[in-house]
Amino acid sequence: DTAVSQTPKYLVTQMGNDKSIKCEQNLGHDTMYWYKQDSKKFLKIMFSYNNKELIINETVPNRFSPKSPDKAHLNLHINSLELGDSAVYFCASSQVGSHSNYGYTFGSGTRLTVV
Amino acid sequence: AQSVSQHNHHVILSEAASLELGCNYSYGGTVNLFWYVQYPGQHLQLLLKYFSGDPLVKGIKGFEAEFIKSKFSFNLRKPSVQWSDTAEYFCAVTPSSNTGKLIFGQGTTLQVKP
Repeated sequence: DTAVSQTPKYLVTQMGNDKSIKCEQNLGHDTMYWYKQDSKKFLKIMFSYNNKELIINETVPNRFSPKSPDKAHLNLHINSLELGDSAVYFCASSQVGSHSNYGYTFGSGTRLTVV
Repeated sequence: AQSVSQHNHHVILSEAASLELGCNYSYGGTVNLFWYVQYPGQHLQLLLKYFSGDPLVKGIKGFEAEFIKSKFSFNLRKPSVQWSDTAEYFCAVTPSSNTGKLIFGQGTTLQVKP
């Protein structure tokens, strides 16, 4: 079983469309994240949810809206897609707490191409 | 602001050569430190991590890293690289007291020639 699974793996869409990326983890972790990897392979955090509560919200356009229906799922919805949104989006999870080891597990990524 | 700097952007080595990739971070408090590897077209995988204790950390595939607190450094080493080590390598830190947010360096592309 895949620990952190993202769908879809590839997404090609036109400018102005709205799209969603789904993420699920079966590790029992309490925290999930979305990271964006740009064309230069730089990784930057976008959002983090702990037990369904938003705890990190970096400077991200409000066209991006994360949703966590439960602690095993963190979806990313993007409205009015722009060319600059083209990137690889990685979902990750970890167990955060005083006795945790902050071991992140990453999903396989979603390559979004906006044309 | 917290940041991570990887000095080598692109490294080219021949097989069996030794590897050292530099990583420095800026944060005044206690940190957890990581090295991740991303093979072409794949997701990030954890190579090794440091939380406390022995500053020399051994990871998978023969990699090790040394935490030098006075230098704010966490350099990655491997005595003898293989062609299969060709990948992107990322150093990352997270302050020990925070919500688990990982701050990544810019990455180093390692190309190993057979």
